[in-house]
Amino acid sequence: VIWMTQSPSLVSASTGDTVTISCRVTQGIRSYLAWYQQKPGKAPELLIYYASTLQDGVPSRFAGSTSGTDFTLTISSLQSEDAATYYCQQYSSFPPTFGQGTKVEIK
Amino acid sequence: QEKLVESGGGVVQPGTSLRLSCVVSGFTFSYHGMHWVRQAPGKGLEWLSMISYDGGKADYADSVKGRFTISRDNSKNTLYLQMNSLRPEDTALYFCAKSSNFYYSQMDVWGKGTTVIVSS
Repeated sequence: VIWMTQSPSLVSASTGDTVTISCRVTQGIRSYLAWYQQKPGKAPELLIYYASTLQDGVPSRFAGSTSGTDFTLTISSLQSEDAATYYCQQYSSFPPTFGQGTKVEIK
Repeated sequence: QEKLVESGGGVVQPGTSLRLSCVVSGFTFSYHGMHWVRQAPGKGLEWLSMISYDGGKADYADSVKGRFTISRDNSKNTLYLQMNSLRPEDTALYFCAKSSNFYYSQMDVWGKGTTVIVSS
């Protein structure tokens, strides 16, 4: 099983700030990593796949990057509507696994 | 517009069974793998199972292997999850999700979920 470690678990930032969320995996997954956004009471939505490819319709202030087994989600110019919990997920090998989530709060 | 609608959740006693359904529209169901993912109250996402586009291959998380069975009816655009021997720890919101390709890839569309509560 490939384990995913997300950090931080909670980030509080102001609108306009840049937020970075890290996802570290326990073994190589090439770039088979997705990021999802889940707002309270809603289903998750795909933001980024293949580590850095933006899903259609996702604002360009979201960006994904990778360095080996470390993956990063960056939210530039944070907006109030970005308040949500963000999950990384690997789909390189079975079973698919999710990080524990990072909650983004707006100050 | 691609849409997934889950149903079949409810309140059941431990040891009983439940079948969830997920009706899809807006895309060619028979071209895509499908997943079930759950979220316990206040917790993160847990992948449960996935099935290939034609139903020929299915995989399960260890936590549900032997108790849950995924299936699909491509003529009805419907995905199923048969859940047997339910336990209190199966209490969760259950989502179906579409794989972006015929089998294993990112989950690009999700339903709103159906709630299962297992309690005596």
